[in-house]
Amino acid sequence: SQQGEEDPQALSIQEGENATMNCSYKTSINNLQWYRQNSGRGLVHLILIRSNEREKHSGRLRVTLDTSKKSSSLLITASRAADTASYFCATSSPISGAGSYQLTFGKGTKLSVIP
Amino acid sequence: NAGVTQTPKFQVLKTGQSMTLQCAQDMNHEYMSWYRQDPGMGLRLIHYSVGAGITDQGEVPNGYNVSRSTTEDFPLRLLSAAPSQTSVYFCASKIDRGVNEKLFFGSGTQLSVL
Repeated sequence: SQQGEEDPQALSIQEGENATMNCSYKTSINNLQWYRQNSGRGLVHLILIRSNEREKHSGRLRVTLDTSKKSSSLLITASRAADTASYFCATSSPISGAGSYQLTFGKGTKLSVIP
Repeated sequence: NAGVTQTPKFQVLKTGQSMTLQCAQDMNHEYMSWYRQDPGMGLRLIHYSVGAGITDQGEVPNGYNVSRSTTEDFPLRLLSAAPSQTSVYFCASKIDRGVNEKLFFGSGTQLSVL
């Protein structure tokens, strides 16, 4: 079952603008991760935020996490045409009895950056 | 360093045929997994392995088999292909079963079952 749900499903912006994508989830998590998928390619890890962190930065990426609202946001500043891709949030939670952790992905936000 | 390698990239099967999707990683990762990606459904976990000789089911395991005889390889077998198995399949690995580890993905196998 899907844990994370991204919003919006699709987003179109002009180059240079900021892009914000949101992710909501249902159960408690250990961390939340964001991945990017270019068309026809595999997913690439962008950033991980732990459940005890509220904000994290990496280059032009800013991720926030609000565990009380069970939500996260990914902000891409000064977007470029090369940022055009689908973005997925993934939540990490323990697998009962397995001693391991499962990453559960949302359905993604499709971002188009127009030059 | 090749990372995670999947073969084939494309495959067309007839209903009832069987086949194996190959996945190999050269990063000495303990954890390997298979996901399927369907339009509007995101990625769903099929099977995973936390080390050689250890496998377990994910969210959607029916119709698929896996084995892990070596650290490097984690093949996914379709026993009797059905149209519902038309999808894009991704293999992914991470260092170990730890909580704060990121997944490395292969480039995917696009499978069509007619």
